[in-house]
Amino acid sequence: GQQVQQSPASLVLQEGENAELQCNFSTSLNSMQWFYQRPGGSLVSLFYNPSGTKQSGRLTSTTVIKERRSSLHISSSQTTDSGTYLCAVASSSFSKLVFGQGTSLSVVP
Amino acid sequence: GGIITQTPKFLIGQEGQKLTLKCQQNFNHDTMYWYRQDSGKGLRLIYYSITENDLQKGDLSEGYDASREKKSSFSLTVTSAQKNEMAVFLCASSAGFYAEQFFGPGTRLTVL
Repeated sequence: GQQVQQSPASLVLQEGENAELQCNFSTSLNSMQWFYQRPGGSLVSLFYNPSGTKQSGRLTSTTVIKERRSSLHISSSQTTDSGTYLCAVASSSFSKLVFGQGTSLSVVP
Repeated sequence: GGIITQTPKFLIGQEGQKLTLKCQQNFNHDTMYWYRQDSGKGLRLIYYSITENDLQKGDLSEGYDASREKKSSFSLTVTSAQKNEMAVFLCASSAGFYAEQFFGPGTRLTVL
């Protein structure tokens, strides 16, 4: 099965709404990252968060190792948040960073 | 902080041509990576280099060569460009293999 699974695959929000993006992984991890990508753009690192909770502005990442999941919470969404959010996990089993398929977020006015 | 630069931004070549993509980082990171991202799809690892003078194959290394000329630079060569290789090639670097990865702006490859 897929080693890193993200949900939902796509999401449409009204500006101001909150969102919770999920990333589930099938193995123990050495690293976990969340990235943001605009169409045609490169990957911007949002969080490097192998465990616990980190916050940056309106974004919060929480990784629960025992439950093999990480979440990205976006509060008070803005149209500029639109794009694709990718999670990536590395473990000694993978020997590389494995990316999820991404969540495509669209925030409408 | 630091920055990763990739050249060229757009690369157009003929089928069968040998093409080289370049990546430079000033983070002073040990580890560098080349990924390929096909339109609407995820990233696949082509090559990586844990330290200067090291070279490791990723999942998609066939048809590619890589060279770590010095700590700050990592090149990727498409040995014989094919139309099905049209994609965005992303370079990344990190302080160590499991450390946070930072990405460059990408090189978009078109094969005629």
